[in-house]
Amino acid sequence: DQQVKQNSPSLSVQEGRISILNCDYTNSMFDYFLWYKKYPAEGPTFLISISSIKDKNEDGRFTVFLNKSAKHLSLHIVPSQPGDSAVYFCAAGQENTGNQFYFGTGTSLTVIP
Amino acid sequence: DTGVSQDPRHKITKRGQNVTFRCDPISEHNRLYWYRQTLGQGPEFLTYFQNEAQLEKSRLLSDRFSAERPKGSFSTLEIQRTEQGDSAMYLCASSPFGHRGTYEQYFGPGTRLTVT
Repeated sequence: DQQVKQNSPSLSVQEGRISILNCDYTNSMFDYFLWYKKYPAEGPTFLISISSIKDKNEDGRFTVFLNKSAKHLSLHIVPSQPGDSAVYFCAAGQENTGNQFYFGTGTSLTVIP
Repeated sequence: DTGVSQDPRHKITKRGQNVTFRCDPISEHNRLYWYRQTLGQGPEFLTYFQNEAQLEKSRLLSDRFSAERPKGSFSTLEIQRTEQGDSAMYLCASSPFGHRGTYEQYFGPGTRLTVT
């Protein structure tokens, strides 16, 4: 039972344009969300997170938007750079436990120079 | 900060053999997690420790799997009587526990297990 879904397995974007990666979740108890980036042969690297008390969190070129009513979050990367090419995973869980996070299947982003 | 390390990076074993993996977390992190990742999937939670206490185990963790974290430092994950379905990347992560906003987990590079 996939509680976190990333329906786009891949995405290609021109350098300098915006990349938008989407994630949907089914469990209304989830109140903390994270995005990770993964390069080949490496473990996932934390990118940005958001708590359900917010609907937006920004860190440099990365912004995460949360729509609780739609159970949807998205990661915006502006401007996209070739070094952003990686697999992006979203993860969701409950903040008061902070233990088990459920990951999506990932979206492979390719930024074309 | 040396990050999370895992050993070995790769392991090839024959079906039926036992294997053990080690994870060294970031030293000040008191939470340690084990995940399994198969091709085309995201990491799947297996178990986690807070200090030396194993607080949660996934139903994915069959009785052939056991994890320990003696003294709340490094952790080991053992798989007994390996099966071909155990072939996967085993990821370890650690995180500090405490105040709001510190739930991000720091992952190691993983141990890739191939069962032949």
